[in-house]
Amino acid sequence: DAGVTQSPTHLIKTRGQHVTLRCSPISGHKSVSWYQQVLGQGPQFIFQYYEKEERGRGNFPDRFSARQFPNYSSELNVNALLLGDSALYLCASSTTEGYGYTFGSGTRLTVV
Amino acid sequence: EDKVVQSPLSLVVHEGDTVTLNCSYEVTNFRSLLWYKQEKKAPTFLFMLTSSGIEKKSGRLSSILDKKELFSILNITATQTGDSAIYLCAPQTSGTYKYIFGTGTRLKVLA
Repeated sequence: DAGVTQSPTHLIKTRGQHVTLRCSPISGHKSVSWYQQVLGQGPQFIFQYYEKEERGRGNFPDRFSARQFPNYSSELNVNALLLGDSALYLCASSTTEGYGYTFGSGTRLTVV
Repeated sequence: EDKVVQSPLSLVVHEGDTVTLNCSYEVTNFRSLLWYKQEKKAPTFLFMLTSSGIEKKSGRLSSILDKKELFSILNITATQTGDSAIYLCAPQTSGTYKYIFGTGTRLKVLA
């Protein structure tokens, strides 16, 4: 079974640009969550989706948005990128509503 | 405000030593607590704890939760160099179903 897959693995963007990160959950997992991990810190919760509905939102500005598709894959969008958005973005999936996660390898975003 | 504090922040030991990693938390509507090991990118799951006083064990690793005193510990016995990693604990709040991660404990095991 494939694990949680994220794309791209690395990305370099310029301040002010927009970025879309993608995540495919483990087959059968209906819940997807997004986390941001800045160097030296633990992952910070951004969003959780379950059955295509947003079930939780962390303390992030409106520049961050996400959605979940009928096949349970998900996209995280970030507009008007700032230098401080540089981080590892982790996607995690689970079978029930966030009860235990399997993480993907993440997307390393660098904003210059 | 929800809070997670892990200690120590970093630890250097020699192979064969036993280590205890601590996680104290204050979250509203506690649901469960997870422990993860992070080596390079993806955190890998170690334990999920929901009940106080019941030790979870996997090989040389074990963990226990105290819901009254609001802490959890992760023990690693007979450490190996492959145990070198950041260990993250994350209590979960019900309602939003989010996990709140601590900063982690960076463990380095020397040969």
